[in-house]
Amino acid sequence: DAGVIQSPRHEVTEMGQEVTLRCKPISGHNSLFWYRQTMMRGLELLIYFNNNVPIDDSGMPEDRFSAKMPNASFSTLKIQPSEPRDSAVYFCASRRTRGGTDTQYFGPGTRLTVL
Amino acid sequence: QKEVEQDPGPLSVPEGAIVSLNCTYSNSAFQYFMWYRQYSRKGPELLMYTYSSGNKEDGRFTAQVDKSSKYISLFIRDSQPSDSATYLCAMRYNTDKLIFGTGTRLQVFP
Repeated sequence: DAGVIQSPRHEVTEMGQEVTLRCKPISGHNSLFWYRQTMMRGLELLIYFNNNVPIDDSGMPEDRFSAKMPNASFSTLKIQPSEPRDSAVYFCASRRTRGGTDTQYFGPGTRLTVL
Repeated sequence: QKEVEQDPGPLSVPEGAIVSLNCTYSNSAFQYFMWYRQYSRKGPELLMYTYSSGNKEDGRFTAQVDKSSKYISLFIRDSQPSDSATYLCAMRYNTDKLIFGTGTRLQVFP
């Protein structure tokens, strides 16, 4: 299995630009999680989906952030407009909830820099 | 106060040493406790998983949970340079939402 796939791996953009991060979960996994990791705040859950439905978006910092999961094999996290304080590593993770364990499998992350 | 507190380190030990990593938490509803390992510029990977109180051993790794003290530990015996990574504790109650500690950076030198 290829694991969780994220793109791009690195993104450098200017303040005010729109940023779209992409994630392909592991085939057969029905839960998907978006996290943000910074030195100061550690790893924070932004939003998660079960069976493509958003369950908890309480971690989404502002209306500038939005996430979609149009089907079981694809999700996006969009920031519009981006700000320098959004600079972080964004991780996507997936998990199989039925018959699975608590194991969330993380992707390699997208390192976002907003200038 | 954060729900989960973890000393950020860094912790630097010689090869072969016993390493102790710890987290404290404030929410007594947490039931499921995990340790993730994260190598530099990689995503976290699950290392140990424990339900409720008690000990769990897997090779050189032992996870301990003391719910009465709201304290969890990870012990690494005979530490190796390949154990050099950031170790994150994580926990949840009866939901899918994991709460992570900020991570402890460990360096094992030969």
